[in-house]
Amino acid sequence: LAKTTQPISMDSYEGQEVNITCSHNNIATNDYITWYQQFPSQGPRFIIQGYKTKVTNEVASLFIPADRKSSTLSLPRVSLSDTAVYYCLVGPQTQDSNYQLIWGAGTKLIIKP
Amino acid sequence: DADVTQTPRNRITKTGKRIMLECSQTKGHDRMYWYRQDPGLGLRLIYYSFDVKDINKGEISDGYSVSRQAQAKFSLSLESAIPNQTALYFCATSDRDPHRAFFGQGTRLTVV
Repeated sequence: LAKTTQPISMDSYEGQEVNITCSHNNIATNDYITWYQQFPSQGPRFIIQGYKTKVTNEVASLFIPADRKSSTLSLPRVSLSDTAVYYCLVGPQTQDSNYQLIWGAGTKLIIKP
Repeated sequence: DADVTQTPRNRITKTGKRIMLECSQTKGHDRMYWYRQDPGLGLRLIYYSFDVKDINKGEISDGYSVSRQAQAKFSLSLESAIPNQTALYFCATSDRDPHRAFFGQGTRLTVV
């Protein structure tokens, strides 16, 4: 299983673009990269998933370089409500019953007024 | 209504008591999961089920048991609760892609 490394915490200000980078040096060929957002006392919520290059949705963008050893979650024009913990996960889309997702500690993002 | 519903949302129980946490989903997914989260940590998988007849142990299954009563229902039991099982518990579901999971609101369990 590919291990991920993220900064423990980050802070920024309202209206800024925030980029959170995740390292996954031993990512496998069939692994996808997925990001989740978790607010206090709530379950994590899927934000975005990608395999290579760039993916964009209504919430965020995900940038993946050609070597796929890292990925960057980009949150445009953040607001106070974006304060949350963000998790990066790496692994295959699989039917294998032995497969288990591994969650790291995530990045605690604090947005200031 | 929520897609994944956990009951109860909060529970305080005494050491040695048996307790059951329940989860139901309306997503129609075959796969269901139970996770535990401790303060400042990520989620750790307790048990998961790929269908009604398939139950698998996760990373930290000791002290826990599960029952998949139907496609939509997956319950977690603590046979004899101990204080270090105090944590936030989450149920989740997914279809074929385990990365695209839908989580419940969580159950905050305190064992005193």
